Amino acid sequence: EAGVAQSPRYKIIEKRQSVAFWCNPISGHATLYWYQQILGQGPKLLIQFQNNGVVDDSQLPKDRFSAERLKGVDSTLKIQPAKLEDSAVYLCASSLVEQFFGPGTRLTVL
Amino acid sequence: RKEVEQDPGPFNVPEGATVAFNCTYSNSASQSFFWYRQDCRKEPKLLMSVYSSGNEDGRFTAQLNRASQYISLLIRDSKLSDSATYLCVVVRGGTSYGKLTFGQGTILTVHP
Repeated sequence: EAGVAQSPRYKIIEKRQSVAFWCNPISGHATLYWYQQILGQGPKLLIQFQNNGVVDDSQLPKDRFSAERLKGVDSTLKIQPAKLEDSAVYLCASSLVEQFFGPGTRLTVL
Repeated sequence: RKEVEQDPGPFNVPEGATVAFNCTYSNSASQSFFWYRQDCRKEPKLLMSVYSSGNEDGRFTAQLNRASQYISLLIRDSKLSDSATYLCVVVRGGTSYGKLTFGQGTILTVHP
């Protein structure tokens, strides 16, 4: 069974630039999550979708972060403009019951 | 106070040792509890669920004390391959769309 796919795997940008990440969940999984994992910390939930509706975005910095899940399948997470403190791994996960994580996108902001 | 707190370690143990990790959570409304494992530069993967009655999976035993809001993971007969970060996870709401909150993780290194 194919897992959660994410791209790109690595991204290096300068502060104030924009960046977008893409996630394709496991087929049939209605719930999709984006997490931010800073080095040395556990993943922190940024946003949760149920199909194409937002369930929880309470920890999403909405002044610079946005996410969408058109058609209830793939999702994109965007940061505009990026700050140094956004350097982290961005993990996408999907679930029916158990959450399965993708490999993540490692973002470095210089 | 963080919602989920773990001792970050690192724990350095020899092969064959028994090691225990602890985790506390602050929200008494939390409903489900898990341990995840995360290898270096990899994504987290579910290790096991944690039940009030305690549960065992091979060399791994998980315990939950709701009254004390405390979760533990015991690893017996440690293997080199057990070296990883162990994440305590607490869920509010149903597991199918509940909100997962992760602890910062406990680093385990098993050496020969």
